[in-house]
Amino acid sequence: EIVLTQSPGTLSLSPGERATLSCRASQSVSRSRLAWYQQRHGQAPRLLIYDASSRATGIPDRFSGSGSGTDFTLTISRLEPEDFAVYYCQQYGSSPPTFGGGTQVEIK
Amino acid sequence: EVQLLESGGGLVQPGGSLRLSCAASGFTFSSYAMSWVRQAPGKGLEWVSAITGSGGATYYIDSVKGRFTISRDNSKNMLFLQMNSLTADDTAVYYCARERAAQGDIDYWGQGTLVTVSS
Repeated sequence: EIVLTQSPGTLSLSPGERATLSCRASQSVSRSRLAWYQQRHGQAPRLLIYDASSRATGIPDRFSGSGSGTDFTLTISRLEPEDFAVYYCQQYGSSPPTFGGGTQVEIK
Repeated sequence: EVQLLESGGGLVQPGGSLRLSCAASGFTFSSYAMSWVRQAPGKGLEWVSAITGSGGATYYIDSVKGRFTISRDNSKNMLFLQMNSLTADDTAVYYCARERAAQGDIDYWGQGTLVTVSS
């Protein structure tokens, strides 16, 4: 199975700053089938990005995804207070679908 | 509005069984593949199982094969997960989830139901 490694484990930033989250796959992700999710404390995850760079319905344009092959990035251009949460990447190009371990974005 | 409402979680002894249910509404249920994803306390997400819209094909993570069975009743807009031979490693919040366009990524999640396996 494809192992996804997210870095950093924790990102400490201030509101208004730019966040860059990394997701590296142990092998190439087929057809860039990679998604990003946000999980706020005590809530279910929410789909942000699918197919590496397509924003899900209702997701603000401050969220963007990029990458291909084994290296993917989620960028939050300017952090809003509600963006402080845990972010997970998921590959669904190969079976079984797998998730990364998550990056926590915390308030500095 | 898409809604997914899980039920059936609880405390069960090792070796026991539980059946999780998920009531879906707000969309044409039979048109969507559905999944179960779990999250152990304080841990990350783990995909567990999926089923196609028709119910004709099912998929499992290796650690639950032969113990868990996913099924659906499209006439009642219901998704199920029968879990047998439970171990402490199965302790987690179990989320019912709708796959976006049957690709494997998930565009809607339920709020989850907690399964605790402990003596």
